[in-house]
Amino acid sequence: SSELTQDPAVSVALGQTVRITCQGDTLRNYFATWYQQRPGQAPLLVIYGRNNRPSGIPDRFSGSSSGNTASLTITGAQAEDEADYYCYSRDSSYNHWVFGGGTKLTVL
Amino acid sequence: QVQLQESGPGLVKPSETLSLTCTVSGGSITDYSWSWIRQPPGKGLEWIGYFYYSEYSKYNPSLTSRVTISGDTSRNQFSLKLRSVTAADTAVYFCARGSGSGFYYYMDVWGKGTTVTVSS
Repeated sequence: SSELTQDPAVSVALGQTVRITCQGDTLRNYFATWYQQRPGQAPLLVIYGRNNRPSGIPDRFSGSSSGNTASLTITGAQAEDEADYYCYSRDSSYNHWVFGGGTKLTVL
Repeated sequence: QVQLQESGPGLVKPSETLSLTCTVSGGSITDYSWSWIRQPPGKGLEWIGYFYYSEYSKYNPSLTSRVTISGDTSRNQFSLKLRSVTAADTAVYFCARGSGSGFYYYMDVWGKGTTVTVSS
């Protein structure tokens, strides 16, 4: 099991807002990085740092953090947002990095 | 624009060494850090490790006894060697470019991935 815990699956109605969470003690001191992965594709960086989006990532994606929980919010989910989402941050040793188990997002 | 391309054998026998190369174009491996990540069939992502050229490498504690990541500036490539493989090492292997501050780390450029199967 991962030291970063994600819900295995989340669903959202088209156009609605969804929050995908990642829990872990190290998130009290480190930011989570978020990746989107569509089937058969390499992961795509969507959020890093406090709330930074790489060029080309729509502004409906945003990141936040509170206590031991980091969140990726999609405001106005689109059909193309249906994918697996992974968080990534420090492991409990604070010496290495680890992925969360991933959340499968379904857009209804 | 930086691009990464993984290459190497798609089939490796149990107990042998898995060797993969990532060729970097549009940038130099002396800049940034360079990572390997893998994904077993139907499962999530697993960070294998990274290196900063001529500085240091860090590996996943669960793999550190079997893995080496190194770079070749003459070819602008970096490589992964995973020794004593078993069927559990069957996965899609990705290489990626990394960066970050003291409080986060991210991989912003990824290769397309290469499938490695461990089987006799």
